[in-house]
Amino acid sequence: EVQLVESGGGLVQPGGSLRLSCAASGFTFSSYEMNWVRQAPGKGLEWVSYISSSGSTIYYADSVKGRFTISRDNAKNSLYLQMNSLRAEDTAVYYCARDRGEGDGDPWGQGTLVTVSS
Amino acid sequence: EIVLTQSPATLSLSPGERATLSCRASQSVSSYLAWYQQKPGQAPRLLIYDASNRATGIPARFSGSGSGTDFTLTISSLEPEDFAVYYCQQRSNWPPRMYTFGQGTKLEIK
Repeated sequence: EVQLVESGGGLVQPGGSLRLSCAASGFTFSSYEMNWVRQAPGKGLEWVSYISSSGSTIYYADSVKGRFTISRDNAKNSLYLQMNSLRAEDTAVYYCARDRGEGDGDPWGQGTLVTVSS
Repeated sequence: EIVLTQSPATLSLSPGERATLSCRASQSVSSYLAWYQQKPGQAPRLLIYDASNRATGIPARFSGSGSGTDFTLTISSLEPEDFAVYYCQQRSNWPPRMYTFGQGTKLEIK
């Protein structure tokens, strides 16, 4: 079964840091592009970051550029999101999503909640 | 940057009725458009890719159509489990290869 499982969310103070992980199983992780997408409470979906299958190409949304770092370890079938200088507006459920290769996400992980508050 | 606009924001229908959801792009996306379903407390689930292709395991009552700037998701006969929020999405083919989502349509029971 193709599966993505996120972890690492929690409560953090403004200005703090957090590292999210996404563990992949059931498919050849190293062959797929991956994305992080977030959803603030009661809001819609917002793309956060993209990484190519090899990790050589990376993009970020303007809202997180310079603060967040996406990475992957293909040997460990894992995707990461290092989040620094966190703000209240970063509060959201963060999902990792596999890109099918056609520019859409399938599947998505169950999400991990990040709350930035003092 | 391409903007996706979904309508209506909320759609109130009864089980057994037909649902028609719209997604309009600010410029042509060819047929590179996907639809997702999201239920409360759950992750989005891919329903339709490339405008009209059902993803694996998606019931035949879900269908997608359109190309260019105007797209439609149709649910032919609503089942109780279909009441959820639906998002359209496209990805740019040039850097940054970002996903862009519509604001969502909430399909609620009338």
